[in-house]
Formats: sequence, structure tokens, C-alpha cells
Amino acid sequence: EIVMTQSPATLSVAPGERVTLSCRASESISTNLVWYQQKPGQAPRLLIYGAYTRATGIPARFSGSGSGTEFTLTISSLQSEDFAVYYCQQFKNWPPMYTFGQGTKLEIK
Amino acid sequence: QITLKESGPTLVNPTQTLTLTCSFSGFSLSTSGVGVGWIRQPPGKALEWLALIYWDDDKVYNPSLKSRLTISKDTSEDQVVLRMTNMDPVDTGTYYCAHLPMIRGVMDAFDIWGQGTMVTVSS
Repeated sequence: EIVMTQSPATLSVAPGERVTLSCRASESISTNLVWYQQKPGQAPRLLIYGAYTRATGIPARFSGSGSGTEFTLTISSLQSEDFAVYYCQQFKNWPPMYTFGQGTKLEIK
Repeated sequence: QITLKESGPTLVNPTQTLTLTCSFSGFSLSTSGVGVGWIRQPPGKALEWLALIYWDDDKVYNPSLKSRLTISKDTSEDQVVLRMTNMDPVDTGTYYCAHLPMIRGVMDAFDIWGQGTMVTVSS
């Protein structure tokens, strides 16, 4: 089973700052990596798929990178609406399997 | 516009079977390259994928829960049903259904989610 590890668990950042969140896979997953944003009381929202492709309607300040086992989500200039929990998720082709990381919480500094 | 909505009991007794329904609109589960998945989230914890059903009625399950799960679809009613047997208090949480499209030949990302339904397992 592929294990996804996100770091840090919590990140305190001021609005306007640039932030990078990390996600590591226990084995290579190529670019089969997805990022979601979840705000309190809401369902997750798709941000990035295929490691670096922004989903429809996602602002350009969100960018994803990485391949193999190391991935990052960068928010270039934090807006107030970006404070949330971010999850990475890997996809295994066969047999199909979807595994989430434990999440990184972005807090206002 | 794609929408999904989960429904089912809010309270389940331990050892009982949970049955959840995902009612959706804006797409057909008989269209090639489409799937619907179930994901759950215990209070304050991370997401966990449970099961997935494809347009061709193929089904896949999280291996750790496979023996307890059954997923099915009713294409005429635009619904997907998830059954989970032998419920335990650790199964308490919010259960989501989500749309899974094929993008670039890959079905890797759940792009539209329902609002979720909270299920508490307690006697």
C-alpha cells in the first residue's frame, strides 16, 4: 500500500506570503498526484490533478509540481480565502486505489 | 452542471448495516469514462477512499474495507448506493460521494463532490 505523507501538519502564514506544502509518496507514483482544498464544514474542492494541472476555475496563484515521490503545492500570494486544509491524493492505476495524505492546515499568522 | 447529494441515516447502531444513496444530476453513469466514488472523513481526521463504480458497472474497493462494502448503481434513477456492513463507532464520520471523470485517459481526480452526510455509529 502506498502511504502519502504531508508536511508540515500545520503552517502559520501571513496573508500575501508565498507558501509551499509538501507531499511525499512511499513509492514512485509518476505524476498521479492530486491536490484538494477543504474549508471547515465543506466538501473538498479539486485544485490540481496530474501533479501540476489546475482544475477548472482554480486561480493561477495555485501551482503544483513534482513527480515520482516528491510533490509540492505552492500558493504564490496567500489570500484570506486560502486558509484551509490541503490534502494530497495519489492514484494507482491497477488495481485502482486512491490514497489521501493526512492533510496540512494553513492558519493565519 | 454536475451535482451530487448523499442521503441516508444519521444514526446507526453498532453491528448494523449502513446504506447510503448518492443522487446525482448533470451526467450519466452509463456514459463511457465516468465513475462515482465514495470517500469518508472521521471528525477532525483525513479523507479515506472507500469504493468506486464505473460506467461499465465495474467496481473497486479499498482493500482494507472490501469485505464490508458493496457499491451499486441505478442508472435509470441516477443513483449510486453504498452498503457497509457491521458498523462500528470508528466508522463515525462524514460520507461523501464524488464524480470521477476520465481526463487525458486517466481517472485520477474527484472533481465534483456532494455536500456529505454525517453518520454516527452509537447505541
